[in-house]
Order: sequence, then C-alpha cells, then structure tokens
Amino acid sequence: NAGVTQTPKFQVLKTGQSMTLQCAQDMNHEYMSWYRQDPGMGLRLIHYSVGAGITDQGEVPNGYNVSRSTTEDFPLRLLSAAPSQTSVYFCASSYFGTGELFFGEGSRLTVL
Amino acid sequence: EDKVVQSPLSLVVHEGDTVTLNCSYEVTNFRSLLWYKQEKKAPTFLFMLTSSGIEKKSGRLSSILDKKELFSILNITATQTGDSAVYLCAVETYNNNDMRFGAGTRLTVKP
Repeated sequence: NAGVTQTPKFQVLKTGQSMTLQCAQDMNHEYMSWYRQDPGMGLRLIHYSVGAGITDQGEVPNGYNVSRSTTEDFPLRLLSAAPSQTSVYFCASSYFGTGELFFGEGSRLTVL
Repeated sequence: EDKVVQSPLSLVVHEGDTVTLNCSYEVTNFRSLLWYKQEKKAPTFLFMLTSSGIEKKSGRLSSILDKKELFSILNITATQTGDSAVYLCAVETYNNNDMRFGAGTRLTVKP
C-alpha cells in the first residue's frame, strides 16, 4: 500500500537553483495538493489540482509551478529557489469532495 | 480573510489526564471541519465534522462542532504518552476547494 509517495525526502539548494519535488499517488484520487509547513504557521496551500490537466493556486503560490498530466502525478517546481522557501513540503490527495486528505511523508527543503 | 485559530498552542499533561483542544474559525461557505494528528511526519486523519452537536468518537478521542459559535473541540481522555503529537484543525470551504489549517496544538504527555 504505497499511498502518497514524495521524493526527495531531503534537499539542500543554493539561492537561484531550480528543482522539482515529485509526488505520486496510487489511490486514483482526483484531488491533489501541495502544502508547506513552517513553524507556528500550520499548513498553507500552495497549489492544487482537481483532475488531470486542471490546476489552480492556493494561498501561497508565488515562486512555485505545478502541472498535472496524469491522475497519479503532481510535481511541484521551484523556479528560482529563495531562502524564504526553506520549509517542509507535503503532498496530499483525496477523493474529490470527501475532505479527508492523505498525506505523503514530507520533503524537507533548505535553501542557502 | 478565512482564518482558523487553535488554542492552546502547546500543552503538557501527565498520563491519565483529560485534555480539551480548541479550534475556532471564521470562513465563508463552510463545508466541513477536520482534525488531524501529526507525530513525526505526515498528518493522519482523525475526524471530519459537518453538522453541529453530533459527537464523533474513536476510542478515547471525541470531537464536536458548534456551527453557531464557529468552533470545535477535540477531547482526549485518559491520555497516554502515545498521544503526544501536534493536533491540527482544518476547515474546508466551498471556495475553490480550499482547506485552511490552524497552526496546531502541540500536546506532550509525560509518564
């Protein structure tokens, strides 16, 4: 039972570098999303998708891009990393409309 | 702006104590309120509440929603060290599939 799989688990970047956080789910969920978690601020929604080919912005989308070419995959791209993007990133998925989110294990990103 | 506020931010109790965690919200187009438990890594789902006054229960955990006063509580009775975690409250709205999280309550249960 893989559920939601995120890679990499840890990454260190230099300011200005780009990278992609991968997310895959095997539950045939329509809804997928990316959150960042910072101390004292809870989880904040970056981008989400309600199905293949459909994406939209969440609360904190600046500096991030997403695409959804298949139901299973929802990668998050950092275009030009900044220290303010140092955070723990979670990918989550759900059946559309149920509310309950299934989370990946998280990816800890440090931008120097 | 939609917001979800949890209190207290942290709590230290001893095994066997009963705790109450609070979550208040101000959102438009409320759909549901959810509670999650986060230990070391990924949050895991506890409850989803959509109707006022109906208690959801799972073992020693229970939760209830008050849609008039815009809050929910999560109760844990006879706490155990394994209950130590961050408890997250989230509110789902009908606005663009948004789910807004509170900052969480860090519960520490001492032996």
